[in-house]
Amino acid sequence: GQSLEQPSEVTAVEGAIVQINCTYQTSGFYGLSWYQQHDGGAPTFLSYNALDGLEETGRFSSFLSRSDSYGYLLLQELQMKDSASYFCAVRDEAGSTLTFGKGTMLLVSP
Amino acid sequence: NAGVTQTPKFQVLKTGQSMTLQCAQDMNHEYMSWYRQDPGMGLRLIHYSVGAGITDQGEVPNGYNVSRSTTEDFPLRLLSAAPSQTSVYFCASSSDRVDEQYFGPGTRLTVT
Repeated sequence: GQSLEQPSEVTAVEGAIVQINCTYQTSGFYGLSWYQQHDGGAPTFLSYNALDGLEETGRFSSFLSRSDSYGYLLLQELQMKDSASYFCAVRDEAGSTLTFGKGTMLLVSP
Repeated sequence: NAGVTQTPKFQVLKTGQSMTLQCAQDMNHEYMSWYRQDPGMGLRLIHYSVGAGITDQGEVPNGYNVSRSTTEDFPLRLLSAAPSQTSVYFCASSSDRVDEQYFGPGTRLTVT
């Protein structure tokens, strides 16, 4: 089956840079996705890496190393509104849906 | 486009009652999934569908049924509610880009 490990909580201050790591074990790998979820809200898609390297989308970047079964989400110029939970995810064995990590709660303080 | 809609937003059930959580999407997505979210457990897959008439079980299917008679709708039925089914339920849909899923706003269910 699929399993993903990520830290349960990360704290940082406004304006800083934070990295949220994710390691995974899968029986078949398509790519690594990242989702953001604010308290009480629905998860929203942030990024997807199918190939090794860094993908940048504004203040957010996501990195993948397939050989290490490892990826991370990098958030720059942190803002208070970035306080949320962040989930990494991989496709299931059939490639038809996603298996999610347990999530990392990011707390941004002034 | 409304995206993915779910009803109701909140529901309280007594143990043993049954109910259906509704989910609909207007993006013509083939793939749809139901997840439950409990504190510290992340999102766990209950059932999913890869198209009308095709459904399959996820990680935690016991106590739930689904059907997919149309592309748009994917209802989740609780057969006999139990307190262990108290959770937040999310429906999601995607095109064949399964890695990019669109989530509904969720249904917060309490079973007493």
